[in-house]
Amino acid sequence: QKEVEQNSGPLSVPEGAIASLNCTYSDRGSQSFFWYRQYSGKSPELIMSIYSNGDKEDGRFTAQLNKASQYVSLLIRDSQPSDSATYLCAVNSGGSYIPTFGRGTSLIVHP
Amino acid sequence: EAQVTQNPRYLITVTGKKLTVTCSQNMNHEYMSWYRQDPGLGLRQIYYSMNVEVTDKGDVPEGYKVSRKEKRNFPLILESPSPNQTSLYFCASSHSNYNTGELFFGEGSRLTVL
Repeated sequence: QKEVEQNSGPLSVPEGAIASLNCTYSDRGSQSFFWYRQYSGKSPELIMSIYSNGDKEDGRFTAQLNKASQYVSLLIRDSQPSDSATYLCAVNSGGSYIPTFGRGTSLIVHP
Repeated sequence: EAQVTQNPRYLITVTGKKLTVTCSQNMNHEYMSWYRQDPGLGLRQIYYSMNVEVTDKGDVPEGYKVSRKEKRNFPLILESPSPNQTSLYFCASSHSNYNTGELFFGEGSRLTVL
């Protein structure tokens, strides 16, 4: 069974710091990787997609993928209290139409 | 505005009373899916659809039905709801059948079955 693992947290960081969120996956055939942000009581919102090894930057967000080690991470620079949310990692294997979600990591950015 | 619309947003019902949760998207997406989200279990896919009249089971399809008669609509049907189907349900769509991880989610429907 394909598994996507995340530390549930909460991860607490001070405002302005770098928040580092990690995700590991079990299926070596995985090809597509996603980070979603979910505010309390709201629906998930896609913030980053990454498909090849290395880093992908978008504003304050950087996604990092290491297929050999089977992990994907999300870095949030200059963290703001508005970044406080649960971050979901999702993985899609080649040929599968069912993305697998991790259970999410709760991030708290305190002033 | 691009959106996925679900109704009802909140519903309390009783065991065995059939109900339908509607989902509609205005982005002309081919791929649509239903998820349930439970504390400690995360998001789990119930059913998905690649196109009109094409549906398939996700990871937790038991107790649910779906239909896709029009591209924009993908209703979720609970023929005989039970308390273990109390959950938060999300409908989602994707612009690509080949990249189904890039999902647009509806606002969610919180269902309670007594």
